Amino acid sequence: AQKITQTQPGMFVQEKEAVTLDCTYDTSDPSYGLFWYKQPSSGEMIFLIYQGSYDQQNATEGRYSLNFQKARKSANLVISASQLGDSAMYFCAMRESLFLFGGYNKLIFGAGTRLAVHP
Amino acid sequence: NAGVTQTPKFRVLKTGQSMTLLCAQDMNHEYMYWYRQDPGMGLRLIHYSVGEGTTAKGEVPDGYNVSRLKKQNFLLGLESAAPSQTSVYFCASSYPSGSGPHEQYFGPGTRLTVT
Repeated sequence: AQKITQTQPGMFVQEKEAVTLDCTYDTSDPSYGLFWYKQPSSGEMIFLIYQGSYDQQNATEGRYSLNFQKARKSANLVISASQLGDSAMYFCAMRESLFLFGGYNKLIFGAGTRLAVHP
Repeated sequence: NAGVTQTPKFRVLKTGQSMTLLCAQDMNHEYMYWYRQDPGMGLRLIHYSVGEGTTAKGEVPDGYNVSRLKKQNFLLGLESAAPSQTSVYFCASSYPSGSGPHEQYFGPGTRLTVT
């Protein structure tokens, strides 16, 4: 069963506007973490933001925020004031068993969303 | 700090040839991982290691072997390459799991083509 679903293969946004990239997940583990990574055309994977399942507030990192809706099992990434440099592939990922020895910090990735920012 | 480095960056193999991909990290991380990235499929975990001398299978281990003889190095081997192993390979490292992000740090990737 697919554990991370990113339903938008591609998105485009006008420069300076906000954009939301969708991510839904499936887990029965009560302790998990959700990540977003950015992969520009150069290929490297860049960590953007993290949300733990027990965190009370939505995570924010500069222009990135994570809209975490636990009951709906969604963890959407919001990028405010888009810039041309935001054009990239974006991956949502999940880590289960945060507090169990044996969780081993393994990540499960979604298929990604390609974002294009237009001037 | 160099972070996570991978050698080589590109390689073309013929079917049946063997090769080893080298990953090195200078962050003193306990955990290391090998992923492959194929179009439309995100990253999938091949093998991982939770410490020197230990390795374990991930989601897609068939056709690959790994070794972690030193804490800072994690080697991925292909004994008999197949066209299905054409992919981009990423190495990553991290601290052990816990309540914080303990995010994985990725290397720049190795683009492997098997003809």
